[in-house]
This record gives sequence, structure tokens and C-alpha cells, in this order.
Amino acid sequence: AIVLNQSPSSIVASQGEKVTITCRASSSISSNYLHWYQQKPGAFPKLVIYSTSYRASGIPSRFSGSGSGTSYSFTISRVEAEDVATYYCQQGSSNPLTFGSGTKLEIK
Amino acid sequence: EVQLVESGGGLVQPGRSLKLSCAASGFTFSSFAMAWVRQAPKKGLEWVATITSGGSNTYYVDSVKGRFTISRDNAKSTLYLQMDSLRSEDTATYYCAKGTIITKDFDYWGQGVMVTVSS
Repeated sequence: AIVLNQSPSSIVASQGEKVTITCRASSSISSNYLHWYQQKPGAFPKLVIYSTSYRASGIPSRFSGSGSGTSYSFTISRVEAEDVATYYCQQGSSNPLTFGSGTKLEIK
Repeated sequence: EVQLVESGGGLVQPGRSLKLSCAASGFTFSSFAMAWVRQAPKKGLEWVATITSGGSNTYYVDSVKGRFTISRDNAKSTLYLQMDSLRSEDTATYYCAKGTIITKDFDYWGQGVMVTVSS
């Protein structure tokens, strides 16, 4: 199984700050198969970025993604209060499909 | 508008069975793979199973192989998860998720249904 090591496990940021989350895969993944989700407290997950760098429908432009091979990143250019959530990466390259362990974003 | 509505959760004793359902609407259900993803209390997301659009192929995480069965009824636009021989470690919120054709992400999710396995 492909293990996704996500870091950091938590971030505390100020509004307007830039934050970056890293997702490292235990083996190489095509960039088509690396995705990011946002899960707000008490809610179901929501697709934010698919195929490394494509924003899902309705997602603001402050969210972006990049990467290739085994190293991927997710960035919020200017954090807003509504971005408080846990963020997960996920690979669709091979079964079993796997998720990273999550990064909890809090606002100062 | 895509909607996924899960049902069938509840409290069940270890070793017993439970069947979850997910009613889908707002898209051509028979054209897309569907999946179940679970989340234990205060834990991260874990993919459980996927079924292809026509239902001919199914895939499972090792921990549920031989105990859980994913199925679908395309005429009813409904996804199922039959869970047998339940264990305490199966306690989680179970989400129904719509898959995408090529990239295997999940672009829509249900609100989730809680399954508690306890005596």
C-alpha cells in the first residue's frame, strides 16, 4: 500500500498568512492521482484540489496545489477564518486508496 | 444538485451484521464508481471499498475483506454496504462518496452515518 506522510500535523496561522502542507508518498504517484480534501469541524469532507493542482468547483483561488513523483504540497495563500479545518491528501494511483493522516489548521 | 444520503447506521453488538444504504440523486448514478470511506471517532479518513459503475468489480481495504460487501442497484440509484462479523474497530462514521471516472478522487460526499459496535 502507498503510505502518505502528511506534515505538519497541525498549523496555527494568523489571518492573511500563507500556509503550506506537504504530502510525501512512499512510492511515486502520477500527479493525476493526488488529491486534497477539506473537512470542517462536524462536517463531511469536501474535495478542494484534484489531480495535484486543479481546484474543484467553487473553490477560491487562494487554494492551490503542486508537486510530482513522491512530493506534493497544498497551499492557502492568505488564510481566512473560514478555512479552519483538517486537510487530507489522498492517492488514487493504486488500491488500497489511502489518505494522509491530516493537518489541522487553526487560526490565532 | 448532487445528493448522497446515507442510512442504516446504529448500535450493533460485536459479531452481528448491519447494512448501510446510500441514496443518490442529481447525477447519472450508473455512470460512476462509488465508494465507502469511514472515519473512526477523532481519527482520520480510511477508504473502505469501491464498486465500479456497472457493479462488476469491487475493491476492499484488507481489514474488511471477507466481512464487508459493497453493492449497488443502478435502477434505484442506491449504494449499499453489507457489514458482517462486525468488530469494535469498525466503529466509525461511514461516508458514501461519488468517484470520478479516471482520477479516483471523491468529488461528492454524503453527510455520513454513525456505526457503533459495542456490547
